[in-house]
Amino acid sequence: GNSVTQMEGPVTLSEEAFLTINCTYTATGYPSLFWYVQYPGEGLQLLLKATKADDKGSNKGFEATYRKETTSFHLEKGSVQVSDSAVYFCALGMNSGYSTLTFGKGTMLLVSP
Amino acid sequence: ETGVTQSPTHLIKTRGQQVTLRCSSQSGHNTVSWYQQALGQGPQFIFQYYREEENGRGNFPPRFSGLQFPNYSSELNVNALELDDSALYLCASSLGRDRNEKLFFGSGTQLSVL
Repeated sequence: GNSVTQMEGPVTLSEEAFLTINCTYTATGYPSLFWYVQYPGEGLQLLLKATKADDKGSNKGFEATYRKETTSFHLEKGSVQVSDSAVYFCALGMNSGYSTLTFGKGTMLLVSP
Repeated sequence: ETGVTQSPTHLIKTRGQQVTLRCSSQSGHNTVSWYQQALGQGPQFIFQYYREEENGRGNFPPRFSGLQFPNYSSELNVNALELDDSALYLCASSLGRDRNEKLFFGSGTQLSVL
């Protein structure tokens, strides 16, 4: 079956530090890959996506590259801000007559001033 | 602000009861998906409705059922509640069923089963 594994948190950083959150996946077929972010008390918001191998998704200074050879989609940001504190979910999407997302367990990011 | 609203925001039920959760999709979205998010876990796919028909289901028992209405609002019904049903229930609407369609999530309904 399909599964997503991401690094456990919390990840604690100081403002302006470099961020990496690791994500690897197992899938039958060729999934699309996503990062979603969940702020406290809110639903999930799409942060970025990549639909095929070697694609790079980017948004708001965050980036992730779809690496088929290592089945990975690591999230990076060069300089985090306090406002980036949230839970980040890596997910893969498949079509089987319907679309479904398989999520990792989430990684909490805490950024201090 | 995603335009997807869910009600109620919080709910407390006892084991064996039935519950109905509601979702109002973003305007023009004909597809709605429901997810269950247990504490400390990622969301798990329950089912998807497309133009009022269920067209996909995850690994959830039949006591989880749903409806999608002509205006594309939807309901999630859970019968014979169990303690393990305590979770945040999220609905997400989209323009279509393709996996690359952007999902717009509501803020969820927090269900506690005692």
